[in-house]
Amino acid sequence: GAVVSQHPSRVICKSGTSVKIECRSLDFQATTMFWYRQFPKQSLMLMATSNEGSKATYEQGVEKDKFLINHASLTLSTLTVTSAHPEDSSFYICSARDQLAGASYEQYFGPGTRLTVT
Amino acid sequence: AQTVTQSQPEMSVQEAETVTLSCTYDTSESDYYLFWYKQPPSRQMILVIRQEAYKQQNATENRFSVNFQKAAKSFSLKISDSQLGDAAMYFCALTSGSRLTFGEGTQLTVNP
Repeated sequence: GAVVSQHPSRVICKSGTSVKIECRSLDFQATTMFWYRQFPKQSLMLMATSNEGSKATYEQGVEKDKFLINHASLTLSTLTVTSAHPEDSSFYICSARDQLAGASYEQYFGPGTRLTVT
Repeated sequence: AQTVTQSQPEMSVQEAETVTLSCTYDTSESDYYLFWYKQPPSRQMILVIRQEAYKQQNATENRFSVNFQKAAKSFSLKISDSQLGDAAMYFCALTSGSRLTFGEGTQLTVNP
């Protein structure tokens, strides 16, 4: 149980284009999903927290107009990188909390998406 | 603000031996959870072990155990009988609400 999928696993796009990454909780309902960015050999950096049916909360320094997050259902959140540039190339990871998990606050992680902007 | 510090960027261990990874944290919350996550080369984050702050007993999961020292705000991970498959980046993490705060990570190498 508690499986989170991400699609695509890898994507290459041209500079100036937009790319959408999907994050799905496959066997549980997730009221809260999280988006992280990870550079090589570094820790995970939280970009934003999304709650189903409401606007995402972005971390300081993260451009909300560049990284659009939509959490339209209890099993799907999307991250759209708009007008991508080479510096946006990174590994993006989503995670989700099971709304029935109670106070454990455990997050289940997707396998990640490697974005390369050329 | 919450902080998590892992002071060992790299560690190595011989196969079948025991290794301990260090983690210290800081939080003003009284109710929180601590985690150790493993990130192998596939980069999939895998939960290794979880500790509730209100529990005095140290968590154990097979070959993995923690030494939770609440007063010292220390949360170390001990891996016994190390296996080649344990080689990965290990992250210590803390949460007292919705967000997870991660440490910088420790890269563990297991030598055959």
